[in-house]
Amino acid sequence: GAGVSQSPRYKVAKRGQDVALRCDPISGHVSLFWYQQALGQGPEFLTYFQNEAQLDKSGLPSDRFFAERPEGSVSTLKIQRTQQEDSAVYLCASSHDRGPYNEQFFGPGTRLTVL
Amino acid sequence: AQSVAQPEDQVNVAEGNPLTVKCTYSVSGNPYLFWYVQYPNRGLQFLLKYITGDNLVNGSYGFEAEFNKSQTSFHLKKPSALVSDSALYFCAVRAPSSNTGKLIFGQGTTLQVKP
Repeated sequence: GAGVSQSPRYKVAKRGQDVALRCDPISGHVSLFWYQQALGQGPEFLTYFQNEAQLDKSGLPSDRFFAERPEGSVSTLKIQRTQQEDSAVYLCASSHDRGPYNEQFFGPGTRLTVL
Repeated sequence: AQSVAQPEDQVNVAEGNPLTVKCTYSVSGNPYLFWYVQYPNRGLQFLLKYITGDNLVNGSYGFEAEFNKSQTSFHLKKPSALVSDSALYFCAVRAPSSNTGKLIFGQGTTLQVKP
């Protein structure tokens, strides 16, 4: 497809488990963003990649959160030792570049539930 | 600090009536402003953006938004609402000084259009 895809769409984890969330951006898009959307809230920025370089990780809530984009396309957000407060929808977005004229295209999200 | 406020949790309108979803922002410099719509279990869809130029911006699905610098507002409007417009709407801002393009989102406004 032409859009941003994410997998899995739903993930249930027991507290303390590690999880990995995948994002396939639109082909050719340089910029990739991860956002966290808690229930009833707007998305909050987690991290930003330009190609394979992680240029901003200021939004990652703790060192349990780690993201990578090793080949400048697919990205993985990993959460170690999940906690209940990590329950949220994780959204991935991509854009052609970081310029202001390029809107971000969002994937459907991964809903993470930590029991 | 950058911020976005959507003062209404929910807006109710009758089909065929005009609708307005309010958004105000706080950012240093001239802002880049966006509206996104989110349908249940789907990712955010881009509606429109203001970067520079005319204060009235036209977007997808008949929506428009008016940028008002003096009131620091970017309200979303539509002349005639449809039942299918019922969804969750997010306003977002990007500071021109941002070198990553990350978006700051409001809390969201649920639009309910009744037949």
